[in-house]
Amino acid sequence: QSALTQPASVSGSPGQSITISCTGSSSDVGGYDYVSWNQQHPGKAPKLIIYDVYKRPSGVSDRFSGSKSGNTASLTISGLQTEDEADYYCSSFTSSVTLVFGGGTKLTVL
Amino acid sequence: QLQLQESGPGLVKPSETLSLNCVVLGGSISSAHPYWGWIRQPPGKGLEWIATISYRGNTYYNPSLKSRVTISQDTSKSQFSLRLNSVTVADTAVYYCANLGVIGRDFQEWGQGTLVTVSS
Repeated sequence: QSALTQPASVSGSPGQSITISCTGSSSDVGGYDYVSWNQQHPGKAPKLIIYDVYKRPSGVSDRFSGSKSGNTASLTISGLQTEDEADYYCSSFTSSVTLVFGGGTKLTVL
Repeated sequence: QLQLQESGPGLVKPSETLSLNCVVLGGSISSAHPYWGWIRQPPGKGLEWIATISYRGNTYYNPSLKSRVTISQDTSKSQFSLRLNSVTVADTAVYYCANLGVIGRDFQEWGQGTLVTVSS
């Protein structure tokens, strides 16, 4: 199975908004509303921040939001804060009853 | 709050078998928490899903690793395990265990990860 496609890096200034895309196919992202996003700080385990395309686990800031259009899902972070600087990975359920990750996006808060 | 703790050798020789265990604390492998899995991350690289198991024992594998991987569970001990055969240096990675929630479509809780190095 092929990894989902994410930009290698994005950047923004504190207070700004950024969007990270995650592109797959009709066999994964486009076919199911089971896209999730995980945040990973250096040296730490990943943490779930969005699931089922747009839902937030308890305790996750509402500055994080998710959406999907066709075969592309997106993560938007509004009101950027320095602690948002991390790697972000999307994942999706697939028609083969497997799970697949994106390659990851490094967010730099300038 | 579920907590997961990985354990196993930090060094494995090429061609041998990597074996890891994950203990579930604050919960159990049951219908309340039915899906569990393993994910790995080579140094400096991205995440790769390895396998998922349900409390009923149904297993799901990454096609690229399927021929070498076995995931199993011991519900009485609230733990599940990973075996990866015929390892090479390319299998060097941080291995994470995770809870995949009620329907097994996302990674809801993660262990802290354990580094496994394949080297002679």
